[in-house]
Amino acid sequence: GNSVTQMEGPVTLSEEAFLTINCTYTATGYPSLFWYVQYPGEGLQLLLKATKADDKGSNKGFEATYRKETTSFHLEKGSVQVSDSAVYFCALSDHGSSNTGKLIFGQGTTLQVKP
Amino acid sequence: EAEVAQSPRYKITEKSQAVAFWCDPISGHATLYWYRQILGQGPELLVQFQDESVVDDSQLPKDRFSAERLKGVDSTLKIQPAELGDSAMYLCASSQTRTNEKLFFGSGTQLSVL
Repeated sequence: GNSVTQMEGPVTLSEEAFLTINCTYTATGYPSLFWYVQYPGEGLQLLLKATKADDKGSNKGFEATYRKETTSFHLEKGSVQVSDSAVYFCALSDHGSSNTGKLIFGQGTTLQVKP
Repeated sequence: EAEVAQSPRYKITEKSQAVAFWCDPISGHATLYWYRQILGQGPELLVQFQDESVVDDSQLPKDRFSAERLKGVDSTLKIQPAELGDSAMYLCASSQTRTNEKLFFGSGTQLSVL
């Protein structure tokens, strides 16, 4: 079945460092891909999305490119801030046969940014 | 900004007891989801509603879990009896339609079964 695999955390970086969180997926068909972020004590929020191959999603300085050839959707940011500390989830939409739009999530990667 | 409301925020119960969680989605959102998030893992879908109808409950342990959305607005998820392995965060999410891929999540209910 469809699945998402993320790099294990926690990831600890200094402020202004470059961030990469790896995400690979297994899917039949052409799913949409997402990054959600969960700040402490809050629900998940959509960070960015891409709906087809070679699309780049971007938001708040974060970027991810839908790479069908490598089945990847790695999250990047050029200069992280302390406020970016959170748990990041990669996800794909599992349309299946009923097109329910159900999301399948990776296990999450905790990012801690130190001043 | 409109939010998905969930209550209670925390619930502690003993095994074999019954527990219930409530969710009020964003007004006008037809699709409602209940996800379970075990510590250290990503959320997994338990049940999806379109209005008052269940469209996917394939991962819902139906011997002990039940969910309803009687008027197609708010929803209740029940566990009876609770087991130790049910300890997790229960997240509710909503979207405008079932093909709209942007989900809005509530803050969740953290369940601890002792």
